[in-house]
Parts: sequence; C-alpha cells; structure tokens
Amino acid sequence: AQSVAQPEDQVNVAEGNPLTVKCTYSVSGNPYLFWYVQYPNRGLQFLLKYITGDNLVKGSYGFEAEFNKSQTSFHLKKPSALVSDSALYFCAVRPLGAAGNKLTFGGGTRVLVKP
Amino acid sequence: DTAVSQTPKYLVTQMGNDKSIKCEQNLGHDTMYWYKQDSKKFLKIMFSYNNKELIINETVPNRFSPKSPDKAHLNLHINSLELGDSAVYFCASSPSPGQGAGQTNEKLFFGSGTQLSVL
Repeated sequence: AQSVAQPEDQVNVAEGNPLTVKCTYSVSGNPYLFWYVQYPNRGLQFLLKYITGDNLVKGSYGFEAEFNKSQTSFHLKKPSALVSDSALYFCAVRPLGAAGNKLTFGGGTRVLVKP
Repeated sequence: DTAVSQTPKYLVTQMGNDKSIKCEQNLGHDTMYWYKQDSKKFLKIMFSYNNKELIINETVPNRFSPKSPDKAHLNLHINSLELGDSAVYFCASSPSPGQGAGQTNEKLFFGSGTQLSVL
C-alpha cells in the first residue's frame, strides 16, 4: 500500500523568502506524484505533477517540485513566497499501473506567508 | 461557469437522518469521485465512478451509497447519519483514469466542498 508523509503541520515564512514544503512517499514501483493547494473554503486545485523525465517539475503560480528517488521525496518549492500563497498544501501519490485514479494524499501542510 | 459544482455547500442535520449531496461536472470528464476531509484536514477517497460504473469503493460504511445517473453527475446519499460523519465532502472529476506509463490523466478538478455537520 502507498503512503505519503508531510512532516510539517505548518510552515511560516516571510514574504519574499523561499518556501519549501516537504513530502516523502512510500509506494511499490514507480510513483506518480502530485501537489495540490487548497485555499480557504475551496476545493483542492492541481499545482503540478511528476510522471517521468526531468526530476525538477514546474507548475502553477511559480511553484516547482523536485523528485528525489533515493530519498523518496517530492518537496514543493517557491523561490519567493507571496502572502497570497498562504493556503493548505497536499502531496499525493499514485503507483504506476494502479487501477483508477486512486490518489493517496498526505495530511496537508498549512503555509502562512507573513507580510 | 463552475466546472465541478456540488450542493448544498452547508448541511446541518440531526443524527439518524438521511441526506444527499449532489455533484455535477460540465468538463466532459468520464470519471468522478467522492472524497472525505476530516476535521484534521486528512483527505481520503471514498468512491470513484467511470462512465457511471463504480471503479473504486474504499472501506466505507454501506450507509453511504453513491449514485451516478449519467457521467456528468455523481450524487452521495447517506443513511442514518452519525456524529462521525461530520466532515467536508468533496466531489471531483478527471478524464478517464490512466493506467500504465504515459497515462497522465490524473489531474483532478475538485468542487468547493459540502460541510456536513451532524448534531
């Protein structure tokens, strides 16, 4: 069975500083990895995904994530955070070849960007 | 135009009641889902339908019954509501599920959620 861990419940960062949200995963075989963002009172929105290829994936709103197979990590990064990036971020995984789109989500990390 | 819309947005009800949540998507997707987000924001899949057929059915009490009259709609009916059912329920949709390498249809589009409070 697959699992996702987001070790930090909350990340605080000052506006303009780099932002990192950590994610590690456990899955049999090769993973499909995703990041989603949830703004208050909204559904989740897709940010980016890793399927194959370049380990550095670029997504929406200036976010990127780096796949590290040896460390089984897929950390989300943004070079310069904005106050509007304050939200709840979810990492998700699906094993290659799994039936359906059964994504397993991490517990979420709340990001608070202070002006 | 809202891509994935679910109603109602808020639902407050007594224990033991039966209630339904409706979901509609206008994206032309074949696959729809129900997810449950608990008070700690943990998100877990409940059901998935592809073209009106059930393809994912997690360990969910059989008080929960999804119904898909057509591929644009996936409703969730809950019988005999319990306190532990209180959560936010999200509907989502995606193109047909991808299987194997090269299939990249996993981008889910979520509705804005239904906050269910059972008193």
